[in-house]
Amino acid sequence: DGGITQSPKYLFRKEGQNVTLSCEQNLNHDAMYWYRQDPGQGLRLIYYSQIVNDFQKGDIAEGYSVSREKKESFPLTVTSAQKNPTAFYLCASLPDHNKGKTFGSGTRLTVV
Amino acid sequence: AQKITQTQPGMFVQEKEAVTLDCTYDTSDPSYGLFWYKQPSSGEMIFLIYQGSYDQQNATEGRYSLNFQKARKSANLVISASQLGDSAMYFCAMREGDSSYKLIFGSGTRLLVRP
Repeated sequence: DGGITQSPKYLFRKEGQNVTLSCEQNLNHDAMYWYRQDPGQGLRLIYYSQIVNDFQKGDIAEGYSVSREKKESFPLTVTSAQKNPTAFYLCASLPDHNKGKTFGSGTRLTVV
Repeated sequence: AQKITQTQPGMFVQEKEAVTLDCTYDTSDPSYGLFWYKQPSSGEMIFLIYQGSYDQQNATEGRYSLNFQKARKSANLVISASQLGDSAMYFCAMREGDSSYKLIFGSGTRLLVRP
């Protein structure tokens, strides 16, 4: 079955460390997205990519970086510059504008 | 200004009854899309229903329907015949413009279905 795989499900990071969250899709979707969700909040867009080797900043890109070397993969790096990285991170992909995005099951990142 | 407003942080509904979750939006773009997502406790976001700004009829998908009132800028989700599995967070979201890939989300409504 096609879908989006995010790993790991839970991730703990020490302050000052960079960590990379994995997102892989086998849906052949062009567009991929990273969102951040804080408790009791909706989703906020971090980065998105419409095609391979191209990506754009979303609303809260500071302290994050991404790459899109393959269509299937869109990893997110949370850098030490991100002041408050503890959150739930969701990856999504989209076949076209009028369809709902397909989301992964998320990664819960905690800074210890 | 809030683009998407969900004024009900939490709601209860009795099993088998219908429930309406409110969503109002704000945009000056004549072309936009409205989405509803369900987020169970497992965390994934599940797409439920879509309404385009030019669609003449209200969208329906099984037990879900969208009460689209364009002049009032509201896009309420109606769930008929509630089931225990409907207990979850529900998010309203909007895409502005024809070519935008960005979705703006509301803060969500937590629905609890009582047996």
